[in-house]
Amino acid sequence: DTAVSQTPKYLVTQMGNDKSIKCEQNLGHDTMYWYKQDSKKFLKIMFSYNNKELIINETVPNRFSPKSPDKAHLNLHINSLELGDSAVYFCASSQDKFLAGINEQFFGPGTRLTVL
Amino acid sequence: GENVEQHPSTLSVQEGDSAVIKCTYSDSASNYFPWYKQELGKGPQLIIDIRSNVGEKKDQRIAVTLNKTAKHFSLHITETQPEDSAVYFCAASIDSWGKLQFGAGTQVVVTP
Repeated sequence: DTAVSQTPKYLVTQMGNDKSIKCEQNLGHDTMYWYKQDSKKFLKIMFSYNNKELIINETVPNRFSPKSPDKAHLNLHINSLELGDSAVYFCASSQDKFLAGINEQFFGPGTRLTVL
Repeated sequence: GENVEQHPSTLSVQEGDSAVIKCTYSDSASNYFPWYKQELGKGPQLIIDIRSNVGEKKDQRIAVTLNKTAKHFSLHITETQPEDSAVYFCAASIDSWGKLQFGAGTQVVVTP
């Protein structure tokens, strides 16, 4: 059973288009994240939601808009795609037990976005 | 904000030898330090973590050490095997919402 799933796995599109990436977790976790991994493998957090509430919003262009319809889903919509948006986008989730010393983040398989 | 530096960027070892990856962090308030392993084409996976009230933690062939005074922590892999080949990331976190600041990653190659 897939714990954190993302669709699609690959996304190739033209500059200026709008696209969405979907993420679902079946772990019953309270918190979900979006990360961007660039061509040099650098991982950077973009957004985080806890029980459908936005709690982390890094310096990300407002062309990127996350949406969490429920705590098991976190989607990422990107408007007016640019060449620099090409990267692998990872969704992750964690149980809200950080204060108890438990904060393992479970990552999805990633979505490779290529903007032409 | 927190800044995490990781060295080396690549590490080649012979099977059976040990591998050590080092990270430094800038914010003394950081209190959680996980290590993630990313295999080719997959998402990162937690392999071990340590909190600031512990100096060392071991899990089979993997160990992590933390020096809070010097603000650095290290990953030690003993008796390396070809399946240890992957990119390893260190990270640090200071807040209760799990915001992780990742290092730049270390590509580990274990040759038979």
